[in-house]
Amino acid sequence: DTGVSQNPRHKITKRGQNVTFRCDPISEHNRLYWYRQTLGQGPEFLTYFQNEAQLEKSRLLSDRFSAERPKGSFSTLEIQRTEQGDSAMYLCASSLIQGPLHFGNGTRLTVT
Amino acid sequence: AQKVTQAQTEISVVEKEDVTLDCVYETRDTTYYLFWYKQPPSGELVFLIRRNSFDEQNEISGRYSWNFQKSTSSFNFTITASQVVDSAVYFCALGYNQGGKLIFGQGTELSVKP
Repeated sequence: DTGVSQNPRHKITKRGQNVTFRCDPISEHNRLYWYRQTLGQGPEFLTYFQNEAQLEKSRLLSDRFSAERPKGSFSTLEIQRTEQGDSAMYLCASSLIQGPLHFGNGTRLTVT
Repeated sequence: AQKVTQAQTEISVVEKEDVTLDCVYETRDTTYYLFWYKQPPSGELVFLIRRNSFDEQNEISGRYSWNFQKSTSSFNFTITASQVVDSAVYFCALGYNQGGKLIFGQGTELSVKP
């Protein structure tokens, strides 16, 4: 049983650079979520897809953030012009429509 | 307002002790779901349990048990006879579907010492 896979596990970038993360959900799951988690805090919702449609975006998600799920399978999260405040763990999760969320190991972003 | 509060930031116990993790939630909705997740040092959040707002029956799964009380808006989690492998951060979360977007608490870091 393959779980949710996220790449890369770690990313270090300089302020102002663009970064892109990838998430491969559990294959039969039609919903895919992105969350952000900072040290000592619970995950915060960013956005989610049902198949290829992006159904909700958090107000936390600034214009520098964009997520796609072009064929309803894997998803990418891009952050443009990164800032130090973007440093966090970015978590992806997937689920069936009525199912609980299953999370990946996350991508840890450090912006220097 | 929709909010989840886990007042205990850190708890430390010795192996075989029982420990209860508190969770208090706020919502105006009558239909909602409550969840517990475990985040071990590896980082992956592991689903433990989901309860709906209409089912206040307590649940036991092995050494884990959950006490849901709507009257106090609490959904507490007890680990009986704790083990070192239980060491992790535990999150309580609130949602409005059986799946869907979740609102997480700040987490409680449990340390079980041998």
